[in-house]
Amino acid sequence: QKEVEQNSGPLSVPEGAIASLNCTYSDRGSQSFFWYRQYSGKSPELIMSIYSNGDKEDGRFTAQLNKASQYVSLLIRDSQPSDSATYLCAVNKGGYQKVTFGTGTKLQVIP
Amino acid sequence: EAGVVQSPRYKIIEKKQPVAFWCNPISGHNTLYWYRQNLGQGPELLIRYENEEAVDDSQLPKDRFSAERLKGVDSTLKIQPAELGDSAVYLCASSFNGNTEAFFGQGTRLTVV
Repeated sequence: QKEVEQNSGPLSVPEGAIASLNCTYSDRGSQSFFWYRQYSGKSPELIMSIYSNGDKEDGRFTAQLNKASQYVSLLIRDSQPSDSATYLCAVNKGGYQKVTFGTGTKLQVIP
Repeated sequence: EAGVVQSPRYKIIEKKQPVAFWCNPISGHNTLYWYRQNLGQGPELLIRYENEEAVDDSQLPKDRFSAERLKGVDSTLKIQPAELGDSAVYLCASSFNGNTEAFFGQGTRLTVV
């Protein structure tokens, strides 16, 4: 089992819809969770960080964490064509352990 | 505030040649990471520094890769000799500490021919 798993996609959603991106992780001791957006040919850009169970909202983005089920998700409301990118989930076990990335989910927002 | 700065942006070298990458982290960030990213994959950690100490280099191919972070600020990553399979994007990132979010530089795209 991979440490961090994401569906590679592509996930296609129409403009204005909600895009839902999911990530599961294997280590129950994980404490910090991050979502990065990566445009083609560019470096990852931090979107959200979440550390405790529940939802965290920032503009059109909502991160959801469920430690009991070992998954973290990212919702993008009112999706725009400019949201088309690969979204990387990253997990940190905490205690200065390494951050592990998933392979990313490619999102396509169709105008 | 300046972000993480990397150079060069692109590098093409012949196999068996040496190559070096440089990274200047965000001011005040104690933790520095070097990642390698292959096409269609997520970044893979090569080495992590806490100040000037390499605290995780378990994924660094030590027969050909080396890194240093003098004075706990700038860092260089070296490959000698380079192999065809080393072609990838090399990303540097920094964070305030090992538990907080990391910010990436623009990366160096290495092509070994």
